This record gives sequence, structure tokens and C-alpha cells, in this order.
Amino acid sequence: AQRVTQPEKLLSVFKGAPVELKCNYSYSGSPELFWYVQYSRQRLQLLLRHISRESIKGFTADLNKGETSFHLKKPFAQEEDSAMYYCALTLHSGNTPLVFGKGTRLSVIA
Amino acid sequence: DVKVTQSSRYLVKRTGEKVFLECVQDMDHENMFWYRQDPGLGLRLIYFSYDVKMKEKGDIPEGYSVSREKKERFSLILESASTNQTSMYLCASSFDRLYTEAFFGQGTRLTVV
Repeated sequence: AQRVTQPEKLLSVFKGAPVELKCNYSYSGSPELFWYVQYSRQRLQLLLRHISRESIKGFTADLNKGETSFHLKKPFAQEEDSAMYYCALTLHSGNTPLVFGKGTRLSVIA
Repeated sequence: DVKVTQSSRYLVKRTGEKVFLECVQDMDHENMFWYRQDPGLGLRLIYFSYDVKMKEKGDIPEGYSVSREKKERFSLILESASTNQTSMYLCASSFDRLYTEAFFGQGTRLTVV
């Protein structure tokens, strides 16, 4: 079974400090990785996906197949980044819906 | 603008009641999903559907069933509500299984008393 692990429940950083939200995965096929974000009182939404190789709101994530990780990074945290972040995985083949990690709450302190 | 709409933001039901949570999407998406969101447990998949009248069990289907009679509507049914089903329920839809964005509803907070 596919599994997504986010080791930190809560991460607090100061404004302007670098941010790294960790995500590790285990899988039995070829994965596709995503980061979803939920701001306060808003619905869950896609932040970025591995296949797009994009940077959204200053965030990037690199897939490291050797370490089976997909950590989310931002060089300078902003207060508006405070939110709940979920790492998610699906597979390139088969009938696999999105599998989510347990989430990390990021708190950016002014 | 994709819309996934859940019929209720808040529901309070009594133990043993049959509860219906409704979800409608307006983008002709093939796939629809029901997740349960609990603090410290993340999102757990209850059921999903890749086509009309089709359903597959997720990780925690016990105590739940679903119905998808029309492409745009996916209903979650709690056959006999229990207090341990008090939770936030999220519906989502996506165009296909891979690489595309899943769009979420605003959530239904269900309290079973």
C-alpha cells in the first residue's frame, strides 16, 4: 500500500526564515507527488505538483527518488504562508486515488 | 471556475440516524471522492467513484456507503450515525486520475450526538 509520511505536526518559523516541510513516501509503483494547502477558513487547494516543475508563491519541491522524499521549501517565509500543508501521492498506473499525509501546520511568526 | 459544492456546512445528527451528505460538481469531472479530515490523522479516503454508478472502497469505508446516480453528484451515506463519525467531511472531484488537480468542496462538519 502507498503511504505518505509527514513527520512534523507543527512547524513554527520566524518571518523571513527558510521553510522546509518534510514529506517521505513509500510506494509499489511509479508515484506522482503533490502538495496541497488549506488556509484558515478556506477549502483545500493544490499548491504544486511534481510533474509541473513549477514554483508557486515562492514554494518549490524536488522529488528525490533515492530518498523517496518530496520536501516543500521556501527561502523566506511570510506570515500569509501560515496554513495546513498536505503532501499527497498517486500512481502513474492502476486505479489509485490521491493518498494524503497527516499534514503539517506551518505557523510563521512575525 | 470549478465549483464543488457540499450541501451543508454544519450538521448535527443523533446517534442511529441515517445521514446523507451531498456533493455536486459543475465541471463534468469523471472522478469524485469522499474524504474524512481529522486533526492529527490528515485526510482519509472513505469512498471514490470513477464513473456513474461505479464506486470503490477507500481506506475507511466501514459505516459508510455512497451513491452516484448522476455524473455531477456523489452522495455519502452514514447508515446509522455514531459518535465516532463526528468529523469534517470533504468531497473532491478531478478530471482524470493522474496529474490533474483535485478540487475540493468547502467541507461539512458533522457532529453526532
